[in-house]
Amino acid sequence: EDQVTQSPEALRLQEGESSSLNCSYTVSGLRGLFWYRQDPGKGPEFLFTLYSAGEEKEKERLKATLTKKESFLHITAPKPEDSATYLCAPYGGATNKLIFGTGTLLAVQP
Amino acid sequence: DTEVTQTPKHLVMGMTNKKSLKCEQHMGHRAMYWYKQKAKKPPELMFVYSYEKLSINESVPSRFSPECPNSSLLNLHLHALQPEDSALYLCASSQVRTTDGDTIYFGEGSWLTVV
Repeated sequence: EDQVTQSPEALRLQEGESSSLNCSYTVSGLRGLFWYRQDPGKGPEFLFTLYSAGEEKEKERLKATLTKKESFLHITAPKPEDSATYLCAPYGGATNKLIFGTGTLLAVQP
Repeated sequence: DTEVTQTPKHLVMGMTNKKSLKCEQHMGHRAMYWYKQKAKKPPELMFVYSYEKLSINESVPSRFSPECPNSSLLNLHLHALQPEDSALYLCASSQVRTTDGDTIYFGEGSWLTVV
């Protein structure tokens, strides 16, 4: 069965304190993996798509990486405006659809 | 410019009412989606339209009825809903279906409260 697990469920950082969010997946025939950011009460905002193991993508303070079993979202020197829920969503598997993880709620304190 | 516009942003309806949620995109995308999201949960897929034809229905109750009038518009008609249907309803679109590897872009959502 296709599964996605994100950890930690919640993370509190001080401004400038770098860290990583984890997305572990078991998806047969993975075709790609999306990362989204979601602010409270709003729709998910697209961040990255990764297609193959070893691929990395960067955007401002964020860098996403992909292995055959995990994806990491590294946040370097975060700012309070980076506070949000971060969702990973691999696609492929038996259903060939996006499979959303439950997200990591990130809070960055000034 | 990646923009999916949803209206209304907030909707309160009684269990006997009929209402509709609307979604519009002008990115030339040919796949459109409805998702439902409950508080502190990830989005759940409801329907997928590909080239204006319904291609996926995730066993959604018939009180939810999707419609795709043209390639830019997607509606979700609501009738005889239950309080447990209260949620954030998200519309999304992509160039082609995600199975082909394209990015899905989401709208801001419509908050639905059923009383």
